[in-house]
Amino acid sequence: GENVEQHPSTLSVQEGDSAVIKCTYSDSASNYFPWYKQELGKGPQLIIDIRSNVGEKKDQRIAVTLNKTAKHFSLHITETQPEDSAVYFCAASKNSGKLSFGAGTTVTVRA
Amino acid sequence: NAGVTQTPKFQVLKTGQSMTLQCAQDMNHNSMYWYRQDPGMGLRLIYYSASEGTTDKGEVPNGYNVSRLNKREFSLRLESAAPSQTSVYFCASSGRGTRGAYAGELFFGEGSRLTVL
Repeated sequence: GENVEQHPSTLSVQEGDSAVIKCTYSDSASNYFPWYKQELGKGPQLIIDIRSNVGEKKDQRIAVTLNKTAKHFSLHITETQPEDSAVYFCAASKNSGKLSFGAGTTVTVRA
Repeated sequence: NAGVTQTPKFQVLKTGQSMTLQCAQDMNHNSMYWYRQDPGMGLRLIYYSASEGTTDKGEVPNGYNVSRLNKREFSLRLESAAPSQTSVYFCASSGRGTRGAYAGELFFGEGSRLTVL
């Protein structure tokens, strides 16, 4: 099955700085790579996703890049704000809701 | 619009007891899922239902059963709870895009925290 590794497990950044989270996957047949944000006591919520026919996607302050050859993808958050503090999960699938998740990254934005 | 609703939010069981986690969605989604979340392990798929009337095992199905009661409801049953099933359980649903393919977003409930003593 698919194995998704995520780094770092914790990340502390100064407000206004950038945050980068990296993930690798093992199954070259995976073609859908979403990122979820989970706030305390809530369920995960999709923030951005990318499919294997695209190398980069941006949505305001967040961006995701995908390197199919190396089988890794990354989340970039620019100009971080306190409300960006949460747990972030990367995931991979073969274009379905049967996602394989990374272990998560706890992001803390220091004011 | 409620989205995905899970009950109960909290439950404490003794080893060997049984219980059912309930999940309902009001988004007319075809597919529904049960994931469990454990510290340091992300979320792992227990069972899923691609459409009404079908269910399939995910990554960690042992010790669980599911029922897709109708299009809205998907329940998860623990027949004989074990301490290893202490976890936070999330139900999710997803729909189809305009061309019938997977639309690309899971909508999660707020979770059910289960402790097995």
